Amino acid sequence: AQSVSQHNHHVILSEAASLELGCNYSYGGTVNLFWYVQYPGQHLQLLLKYFSGDPLVKGIKGFEAEFIKSKFSFNLRKPSVQWSDTAEYFCAVNHGSSNTGKLIFGQGTTLQVKP
Amino acid sequence: EAGVTQSPTHLIKTRGQQATLRCSPISGHTSVYWYQQALGLGLQFLLWYDEGEERNRGNFPPRFSGRQFPNYSSELNVNALELEDSALYLCASSLTIAGSYEQYFGPGTRLTVT
Repeated sequence: AQSVSQHNHHVILSEAASLELGCNYSYGGTVNLFWYVQYPGQHLQLLLKYFSGDPLVKGIKGFEAEFIKSKFSFNLRKPSVQWSDTAEYFCAVNHGSSNTGKLIFGQGTTLQVKP
Repeated sequence: EAGVTQSPTHLIKTRGQQATLRCSPISGHTSVYWYQQALGLGLQFLLWYDEGEERNRGNFPPRFSGRQFPNYSSELNVNALELEDSALYLCASSLTIAGSYEQYFGPGTRLTVT
């Protein structure tokens, strides 16, 4: 079965530290890849997406992610985190060749940024 | 532009009852998706509706059902509620254009079954 794995469940960083959250998926076909963020008390928001083209994608608030097809990975990065980045981050995947409507989510990573 | 809206915010039911959850998509979006976010189980796909029809279904029993109305709003019904149905139910919407697959989520309905 297709699955998405986020390696870190809980990450604690100090402000200005660099961030990398891992995401791996198991599906051999074409995929669309997403990172969503859920800030405390808010709903899920789309942070960035990859459909095709340049494997390095930039999203909102200084986040970027790199799609490495050979590693089935889509890691999220930010060079310098802020306290306001404290949130839960979800990686998600769906089929790229045909829209099944189904997003498969990872378990989520809770990021806590200490001021 | 208004986002996806869901009602009610919270819903408390007893085991065996039925629950009805509602969702209004972003204006112009024709697809509506339902997900369940249960403690310890993460976000799981429930249903996809587009143009009034059920297009795909996740691995949930038939007592989870729904419909989409002509204005593209949607209803999720859960019959014969069980304690393990307690969860946050999220609705998302999207355009239905080839290549445009990002889903935008609402705030959710917190269903508690006692």
